[in-house]
Amino acid sequence: DIQMTQSPSSLSASVGDRVTITCRASQSISNYLNWYQQKPGKAPKLLIYAASSLQSGVPSRFSGSGSGTDFTLTISSLQPEDFATYYCHQSFSTPYTFGQGTNLEIK
Amino acid sequence: QVQLQQWGAGLLKPSETLSLTCAVYGRSFSGYYWSWIRQPPGKGLEWIGEINHSGSTTYNPSLMSRVAISVDTSKNQFSLRLTSVTAADTAVYLCARMVTTGWFDSWGQGALVTVSS
Repeated sequence: DIQMTQSPSSLSASVGDRVTITCRASQSISNYLNWYQQKPGKAPKLLIYAASSLQSGVPSRFSGSGSGTDFTLTISSLQPEDFATYYCHQSFSTPYTFGQGTNLEIK
Repeated sequence: QVQLQQWGAGLLKPSETLSLTCAVYGRSFSGYYWSWIRQPPGKGLEWIGEINHSGSTTYNPSLMSRVAISVDTSKNQFSLRLTSVTAADTAVYLCARMVTTGWFDSWGQGALVTVSS
């Protein structure tokens, strides 16, 4: 299985901050990397697909980059609704796997 | 706009069989892969397996011996069966659509399944 490691596991930040979350794959996954946002009691929501493509309807303050084994999700200016848990996900090969999540909290 | 709606029993005893169904509304059923994913309380996401409209399945090896995913294209539904459940199977179970290029773009609302004697 491909292991996905996110860092940090938790992060405290303020509204307006720029935040970066990283995800590392245990082997090269090309650009088969996606990012999701999950709020308590809700299903995950797709933010970024294929490493850097913004899902329709997602604000442009979200961006993704990377290829191979190292990827980043950046939120350019945190808004109150962005406080949530973020997961990376590899779809390069089955079994599909997710990072352990990054809990983004209000400072 | 596709919508996924799921249902099934929420409380099971150890050794029983978990059974959930996910109905797809609003878009074609073919051309996508349909997955089940679970999330134990307070933990991360685990992919269980997928099926396409033709019935071709792929399972997570960690669950392969106990899991079966089936499809009913006449109803635009797919279903999950997980046998011999234990407390470790307690989780929110989610159905999701994967586009062929590899991301989950639509999700069901999730269903908490608790295994307890």
